[in-house]
Amino acid sequence: KAGVTQTPRYLIKTRGQQVTLSCSPISGHRSVSWYQQTPGQGLQFLFEYFSETQRNKGNFPGRFSGRQFSNSRSEMNVSTLELGDSALYLCASSSHLNTEAFFGQGTRLTVV
Amino acid sequence: KNQVEQSPQSLIILEGKNCTLQCNYTVSPFSNLRWYKQDTGRGPVSLTIMTFSENTKSNGRYTATLDADTKQSSLHITASQLSDSASYICVVSARTGRRALTFGSGTRLQVQP
Repeated sequence: KAGVTQTPRYLIKTRGQQVTLSCSPISGHRSVSWYQQTPGQGLQFLFEYFSETQRNKGNFPGRFSGRQFSNSRSEMNVSTLELGDSALYLCASSSHLNTEAFFGQGTRLTVV
Repeated sequence: KNQVEQSPQSLIILEGKNCTLQCNYTVSPFSNLRWYKQDTGRGPVSLTIMTFSENTKSNGRYTATLDADTKQSSLHITASQLSDSASYICVVSARTGRRALTFGSGTRLQVQP
């Protein structure tokens, strides 16, 4: 069974640009959640999707948005990038809400 | 406010030795507690997940304990190996209509030869 796949693995963007990250969950999993991890803040929850609906949202500005498709694949978008958005963005999938989450390898975003 | 506190923040041990990592939480109502291992630059990997009724759960050389009364959990690593060098993150899930996960800041473990 393939694991959670995140693309791209690495990304360099300029301040003010926007970026879209992709996450393909484990086959059969319907819940996808996104996290930002920085050395100073640790893992912080961004949002969670289940059956194409956002079910939970963390405390991030509106520049951070996401969506989930009918095949459970999810995308996360960050607009008007800031230097502070440089981080490892992790996606996790689970079969249902509040069940064990399996993480992808992450996308390392660097904003210059 | 839901919080998860982990200690120590970092730990250095010699290969072959045992160690115990601590996790205290104030998350309520409690649903489950998970321990993850995260190698540098990679995604976390689940080690154990424990519900309210479980006191101990093992995964190879990793043994997690949970005391729901005192809201404490520990992760014991036996006969450490160099590959155990990683960050260990405690995550507590609240039993709410909209799932909420509270993450600890992690314990950075370094196993030296």
